[in-house]
Amino acid sequence: DVKVTQSSRYLVKRTGEKVFLECVQDMDHENMFWYRQDPGLGLRLIYFSYDVKMKEKGDIPEGYSVSREKKERFSLILESASTNQTSMYLCASRTGGDHTEAFFGQGTRLTVV
Amino acid sequence: DQQVKQNSPSLSVQEGRISILNCDYTNSMFDYFLWYKKYPAEGPTFLISISSIKDKNEDGRFTVFLNKSAKHLSLHIVPSQPGDSAVYFCAAQNTGTASKLTFGTGTRLQVTL
Repeated sequence: DVKVTQSSRYLVKRTGEKVFLECVQDMDHENMFWYRQDPGLGLRLIYFSYDVKMKEKGDIPEGYSVSREKKERFSLILESASTNQTSMYLCASRTGGDHTEAFFGQGTRLTVV
Repeated sequence: DQQVKQNSPSLSVQEGRISILNCDYTNSMFDYFLWYKKYPAEGPTFLISISSIKDKNEDGRFTVFLNKSAKHLSLHIVPSQPGDSAVYFCAAQNTGTASKLTFGTGTRLQVTL
C-alpha cells in the first residue's frame, strides 16, 4: 500500500511564525504536491515538485515556499504565518506516468492565531 | 478561473437509491478525470477514473460517465449506502503538461436511512 504521511494532524501557530509542514511518501513517486482545502473552494494547488530539487508554483503560491531535498520528502514552508493561512493542508504523491491517481496524506489542520 | 466546477455543494439521497454527482470543466485539453472521496479530518481517497478516449467506466457500485462534447462528467453510485456519506471531488489532468490535478469545489453527499 502506498503511504503518504504528514508529520502533524493538528497545528496551532502564532501570526508571524515560520511554519514547516512535512510530508513523506514511501512509493518512490516522482511527483509530489501540496494542496489546501477550504470550504466552498475545494482543493487548490499551492506548489508541486516533479523531481528532487525541482519545484513549480501552483495556483496559490503566495506566502508559501517548498523544499524537496530527497525524493521521498516534500516540505511546505509558511514564511510568516498569517490568519488567512488557517486551513487544511493536504500532501499528495503520484508516479510519473500518465493516467495514474494521486495518493493523499491524512491532512494537517493548521490554525494561525 | 475555476476550470473544474461542481455546481451542487450538497446532495441528499435515500439509502438504496442512486446518487448522481456532476462535474463540468472548461479546459478542452483535459484528458483524464478522477473522482475522490473525502471524510472529515482525513485525506481524499481515490475512487474511480476515466480517460477521455472512453465515455464510461464502471467499478462495482461506482460508474463514471464522460460527455466530452458537453465537457461534463458524472459519478453514479448505485445503490447508495450510509457509508457513502462524504465529500466528493472531481479532478482533471492535461497530460500534455505537468502531471498536476485540478480539483473541483466538491459535493457533500448525505445518504439517509
